[in-house]
Amino acid sequence: KQEVTQIPAALSVPEGENLVLNCSFTDSAIYNLQWFRQDPGKGLTSLLLIQSSQREQTSGRLNASLDKSSGRSTLYIAASQPGDSATYLCAVSDNAGNMLTFGGGTRLMVKP
Amino acid sequence: ETGVTQSPTHLIKTRGQQVTLRCSSQSGHNTVSWYQQALGQGPQFIFQYYREEENGRGNFPPRFSGLQFPNYSSELNVNALELDDSALYLCASSHGTGGFYEQYFGPGTRLTVT
Repeated sequence: KQEVTQIPAALSVPEGENLVLNCSFTDSAIYNLQWFRQDPGKGLTSLLLIQSSQREQTSGRLNASLDKSSGRSTLYIAASQPGDSATYLCAVSDNAGNMLTFGGGTRLMVKP
Repeated sequence: ETGVTQSPTHLIKTRGQQVTLRCSSQSGHNTVSWYQQALGQGPQFIFQYYREEENGRGNFPPRFSGLQFPNYSSELNVNALELDDSALYLCASSHGTGGFYEQYFGPGTRLTVT
């Protein structure tokens, strides 16, 4: 059974810092990995999707990397801003693709 | 292009009652997946519907059931509600089943069981 873990569970940083969020998964037989952002009480916004054959994806100040063989992904946020405050979730899709397995999330607060 | 919509936004029910949640998929999407997110946790997969048939189910009891309609909208039904069913229920739609297709999430329905 796939298990996804995110470390740290919570993070508080001053504005302007570069930061790294970590995601690990136990079964490397994944099809893709997605990073999502969730604001309190809201739905999920997809940030980046990395196919299993890819090593990284970039969007603006966000960069996500994937090391499938070691079961790890990182989300790098450059020059953090207070508007980045949210919970960040990673999820992996199995090869059948009919379900996403999520980590517990990292709750990020960026202080002005 | 209209995104994924869900109704209602919030719902309060009493233990033992039944509830129906609704999801309209994004235009052109034929696959809908449902997830339950308890407070402070990541979403858990309930089931997926593809072309009106169930196409995979997570570790949820049979009192969680669903439907998909010819227009690909979907319903999640929960019978005999329990306090632990209190959660944010998310639906996601995609162009098809399979890991190639990105899932797009709706805003969720917040269910409170008292």
